Amino acid sequence: ETGVTQTPRHLVMGMTNKKSLKCEQHLGHNAMYWYKQSAKKPLELMFVYSLEERVENNSVPSRFSPECPNSSHLFLHLHTLQPEDSALYLCASSQDLDPTGYGYTFGSGTRLTVV
Amino acid sequence: QKEVEQNSGPLSVPEGAIASLNCTYSDRGSQSFFWYRQYSGKSPELIMFIYSNGDKEDGRFTAQLNKASQYVSLLIRDSQPSDSATYLCAVKRPQKLVFGQGTRLTINP
Repeated sequence: ETGVTQTPRHLVMGMTNKKSLKCEQHLGHNAMYWYKQSAKKPLELMFVYSLEERVENNSVPSRFSPECPNSSHLFLHLHTLQPEDSALYLCASSQDLDPTGYGYTFGSGTRLTVV
Repeated sequence: QKEVEQNSGPLSVPEGAIASLNCTYSDRGSQSFFWYRQYSGKSPELIMFIYSNGDKEDGRFTAQLNKASQYVSLLIRDSQPSDSATYLCAVKRPQKLVFGQGTRLTINP
């Protein structure tokens, strides 16, 4: 496995379900991110982790709960979501919080549909 | 005012022509800028990085940065149908990249 891997690729869940998104990076990076991508909107930064410590939380509703057990893994726990939470959720990583020429490496994303 | 603004398009360019994509940003202190390409249903991939005023060329791609006017552009020469994608402009801010909404580019054969 190389790069940034996200699972599952697609997820359909009811509003009362609890599910988790998983992200794993094999690049030796120290920073990881969750972004939300909705149609016709810019990528919205949700959470930032550096060396397993959360450094930014962009006013995300509490129904989204991140977890970073080590510098290679990042989870996004979901519960009691709303239909407007349906989107593509992208995980990214970078060498550190000050990405220079290499920017972020993105995973393939999880397409989430809330019904 | 949005931090990073792009024309959402769609921008339609004939094959072989030059495609010109523009991005403006609001924070005059911004130093580093990125262009990502995102194919439909895929994740963004980095294609250019620029931090100095002027032009930076990489193959058919040229990034142009003008800090005084607060804009960064991407030129694609000899456009190919495979260049059809959404192009995202990103500006480096403390501890994060801030993205524009992207410009959808279509290259017509």
